[in-house]
Amino acid sequence: NAGVTQTPKFRVLKTGQSMTLLCAQDMNHEYMYWYRQDPGMGLRLIHYSVGEGTTAKGEVPDGYNVSRLKKQNFLLGLESAAPSQTSVYFCASRNYDVGDYGYTFGSGTRLTVV
Amino acid sequence: RKEVEQDPGPFNVPEGATVAFNCTYSNSASQSFFWYRQDCRKEPKLLMSVYSSGNEDGRFTAQLNRASQYISLLIRDSKLSDSATYLCVVNTNNDYKLSFGAGTTVTVRA
Repeated sequence: NAGVTQTPKFRVLKTGQSMTLLCAQDMNHEYMYWYRQDPGMGLRLIHYSVGEGTTAKGEVPDGYNVSRLKKQNFLLGLESAAPSQTSVYFCASRNYDVGDYGYTFGSGTRLTVV
Repeated sequence: RKEVEQDPGPFNVPEGATVAFNCTYSNSASQSFFWYRQDCRKEPKLLMSVYSSGNEDGRFTAQLNRASQYISLLIRDSKLSDSATYLCVVNTNNDYKLSFGAGTTVTVRA
């Protein structure tokens, strides 16, 4: 039972390069999220999706794009990486059932932009 | 004002001690509350939900005070393995999203 899998786990980018982070879940969850975590700031929501084919902006969406073409996958793209995007990125998913609000997180992607 | 605020700590306690800390939230309409645990450089994991009447899970007790808009976590008989950062999590107006505090660091020493 893999849960939520993120790839890659580590990446170093040069300023201006692009990349895509992949999140895959095998729990048939409807909701998926991308967060970034920076020291002293906690987790901040970048984008989220409430179902296949739908996405919405979170708290800090600028510089990122997302796609949810398949229910099990949620992709986060950086078109032109900036040093301010150096962070740890976590993907999470959640079931739709009322009362079951717990997130399942992936193990994170550590991104450094130089 | 941040939606969820926590004392960052660190709380340094000896094994066997009791440690407690709070988290305040700004949205009076918030409905769902949780404590997550995060170990160094790992992903957050759900520790427990927080119910209106308060709830206990082994050595962990969570309380909710709606009037003052805070939740608390108490850890009894602390173990070395309790050393972690504890994240306070609250739902926002939109049920789809949860807001995270920056975390309270607890270090249990032998």
